[in-house]
Amino acid sequence: KNQVEQSPQSLIILEGKNCTLQCNYTVSPFSNLRWYKQDTGRGPVSLTIMTFSENTKSNGRYTATLDADTKQSSLHITASQLSDSASYICVVTFTGGGNKLTFGTGTQLKVEL
Amino acid sequence: DTGVSQDPRHKITKRGQNVTFRCDPISEHNRLYWYRQTLGQGPEFLTYFQNEAQLEKSRLLSDRFSAERPKGSFSTLEIQRTEQGDSAMYLCASSKGQGDYEQYFGPGTRLTVT
Repeated sequence: KNQVEQSPQSLIILEGKNCTLQCNYTVSPFSNLRWYKQDTGRGPVSLTIMTFSENTKSNGRYTATLDADTKQSSLHITASQLSDSASYICVVTFTGGGNKLTFGTGTQLKVEL
Repeated sequence: DTGVSQDPRHKITKRGQNVTFRCDPISEHNRLYWYRQTLGQGPEFLTYFQNEAQLEKSRLLSDRFSAERPKGSFSTLEIQRTEQGDSAMYLCASSKGQGDYEQYFGPGTRLTVT
């Protein structure tokens, strides 16, 4: 079964600190891995997208890494801001049919003063 | 704002009633996806369209669910005889194509079945 698991489930950090979120997947075959940010009550917004041949992608203070051999990805957030408080979802595109997205359950991040 | 709109944003209905949601994708996008998201979970795929053709339906999409995209533009998702278990956020996304194309999500429709 294609699965995407994320850790930690939730995280609280102080404003200005860095953090790293983890994603392990078993989706196969896959074409790309994405990280989305989802604010409460809103739709997900894309942060990064990496193909299986890429191992890092940055978007401002967000840096995603991918190790296709170990099927692991991480999202590193630098100098966190209060507005970073959201759910961060790891998403893998399964190429087996229709390029459907397989979503993780997300890491709920809270940034506090 | 991603350019994908959904209506209504919130819907409260009584068990057994029918409900219909609408999604307007980004105009040049030929792919449209529906997802369902319950509290604390990631979205789950329901169905997708390539233009007006519905190409795949998840087994999550029971016979009470039907989706259409009659002119290859907006799409509707109807749930008949709603059940409490249908309470969820229903998300729509659109993309230019398959593969590495970005999927842009709408704000979702929050359904509460009482």
